[in-house]
Amino acid sequence: DAGVTQSPTHLIKTRGQQVTLRCSPKSGHDTVSWYQQALGQGPQFIFQYYEEEERQRGNFPDRFSGHQFPNYSSELNVNALWLGDSALYLCASSLARTGRETQYFGPGTRLLVL
Amino acid sequence: DQQVKQNSPSLSVQEGRISILNCDYTNSMFDYFLWYKKYPAEGPTFLISISSIKDKNEDGRFTVFLNKSAKHLSLHIVPSQPGDSAVYFCAARDITSGTYKYIFGTGTRLKVLA
Repeated sequence: DAGVTQSPTHLIKTRGQQVTLRCSPKSGHDTVSWYQQALGQGPQFIFQYYEEEERQRGNFPDRFSGHQFPNYSSELNVNALWLGDSALYLCASSLARTGRETQYFGPGTRLLVL
Repeated sequence: DQQVKQNSPSLSVQEGRISILNCDYTNSMFDYFLWYKKYPAEGPTFLISISSIKDKNEDGRFTVFLNKSAKHLSLHIVPSQPGDSAVYFCAARDITSGTYKYIFGTGTRLKVLA
């Protein structure tokens, strides 16, 4: 049973550039959530996708956008990168109809903005 | 405004003894609570959860207690093992907007000494 996978594992960008991160959910899951984890902090909710639409959004600017594909995989896009965007980006998947919707996390993509 | 707080950044426990990790929250609309464990270079791994209508849930060596009046939950690990050494995150599900999102604490680093 394949778990949540993310790519790439590491990424280095410079200020002002754009980045796209990818996530494949756990087999059978239909909901994908994205989190940003800065050093020494807990994961901060960015947004959640279900049925190819953004269902819920955290306190992140419009530079952060996403997409969910018909196969439930998802992308996170960040435009006009800031130094402060350097963090571990985590994807979590869940199954909407369970009611509990326990989220299962991928290993993350570590982004460094120089 | 930190709605989920883990006030102890670190904890050291002898192998075989009990580890108690604490978490406080402020939002009475949280309906579901989870604990995750995170090793370096990996995503958080789901450990155990509890619904707001219960006060205890047990799974092997792990027990979560919920005190709704105090807005406090705790994770007990008995007996503690060196492999339990990791960062533990408390998370709460916020359903106030009709859909849900998870709010994480900042984590507690547990070190189990052999």
